[in-house]
Amino acid sequence: EAQVTQNPRYLITVTGKKLTVTCSQNMNHEYMSWYRQDPGLGLRQIYYSMNVEVTDKGDVPEGYKVSRKEKRNFPLILESPSPNQTSLYFCASSYSKGHLLYEQYFGPGTRLTVT
Amino acid sequence: QKEVEQNSGPLSVPEGAIASLNCTYSDRGSQSFFWYRQYSGKSPELIMFIYSNGDKEDGRFTAQLNKASQYVSLLIRDSQPSDSATYLCAGGGGYQKVTFGTGTKLQVIP
Repeated sequence: EAQVTQNPRYLITVTGKKLTVTCSQNMNHEYMSWYRQDPGLGLRQIYYSMNVEVTDKGDVPEGYKVSRKEKRNFPLILESPSPNQTSLYFCASSYSKGHLLYEQYFGPGTRLTVT
Repeated sequence: QKEVEQNSGPLSVPEGAIASLNCTYSDRGSQSFFWYRQYSGKSPELIMFIYSNGDKEDGRFTAQLNKASQYVSLLIRDSQPSDSATYLCAGGGGYQKVTFGTGTKLQVIP
């Protein structure tokens, strides 16, 4: 089954404790991306990757890190989480060719609470 | 700041009617456009993807793209109560950054 998976689905942590949210896709997609969703603000892009070892900032990259060492995986790292990073996080992947992105599919989401 | 604008709604339509959702975008470099349906607390579900001017139909859904006017629309024919959700419009820029609108809440009244 073609899918994007994320782990963990729920996470409660404390300020400053480093954490990683994993994302994996089995569709051989070049493009992967992380979003956060907050009430009233909609979905905002954190980072995206057009291929292995190629990443770029989205609209809200502060406080986050990513890496793309393998095509299928795109982990999101919060080195020192703060309460304002409490949010619902989504990973997504898409086939891309040139400057064109094709259908983008989302993972199930990770609800993060930072106290 | 590149933006995608949507009316937040709620948009209420009776069951069986056509729901019309609209979206405008400011980035002329955007080439790919997406419509997603999202139920509360769930992940966005892709409804339509369009990148050429004109109409694209898939079942009860039709997406329309007008690059000159910088708008994208979604028509839902024969609306059903199960279509009640928030509909998100998104545009993919030339550098493949993706920007989402804040969504339009649709209510289909039985």
